[in-house]
Amino acid sequence: DAKTTQPTSMDCAEGRAANLPCNHSTISGNEYVYWYRQIHSQGPQYIIHGLKNNETNEMASLIITEDRKSSTLILPHATLRDTAVYYCIVRPFLQETSGSRLTFGEGTQLTVNP
Amino acid sequence: DGGITQSPKYLFRKEGQNVTLSCEQNLNHDAMYWYRQDPGQGLRLIYYSQIVNDFQKGDIAEGYSVSREKKESFPLTVTSAQKNPTAFYLCASTQAGVGQPQHFGDGTRLSIL
Repeated sequence: DAKTTQPTSMDCAEGRAANLPCNHSTISGNEYVYWYRQIHSQGPQYIIHGLKNNETNEMASLIITEDRKSSTLILPHATLRDTAVYYCIVRPFLQETSGSRLTFGEGTQLTVNP
Repeated sequence: DGGITQSPKYLFRKEGQNVTLSCEQNLNHDAMYWYRQDPGQGLRLIYYSQIVNDFQKGDIAEGYSVSREKKESFPLTVTSAQKNPTAFYLCASTQAGVGQPQHFGDGTRLSIL
């Protein structure tokens, strides 16, 4: 899987947008970008994924640059419950039906402040 | 609501004892996975199953066993052969198909008495 680089920590004010960057400069053409988050002592929660187009769902938006070497996860109106470690993962999409494993890096600790 | 249920949330094991962690999903997902997470570390794959009555070893299968008798269930047994079982165990599942994400349960924390 391609290596990803994320900032170690970020802060955001409650109600403001949280923009979490991820660098994946060695991404291949058959690899998706996935975002998960993990709140302490809970299982990872899937947020969103994309290949090359921007994506939006009820939780967040994913902006992928045209060269696909970086992406940004946007939480439009952060709340205190969004405080968690956010993981950016790059994986070949053809692995989904095989023994694929998710490789979590260090992630970004997002702290939403009142 | 559809989801993945892991039980128990906390489990304690005595020396020489086998313990079984439960994982049930009602998402009608085909593939299921067991991961282990240690403090400050990422996920390591223990076993996975793509179809009923079939499963494969992951990266750290020694000391663990699984079964997949039903599509919705994938229990993990931590045997006495696993000398360092203290960890956070996560079960995940995914639907077959290109790009489908894995979804996780809330985990079982196993400790040694």
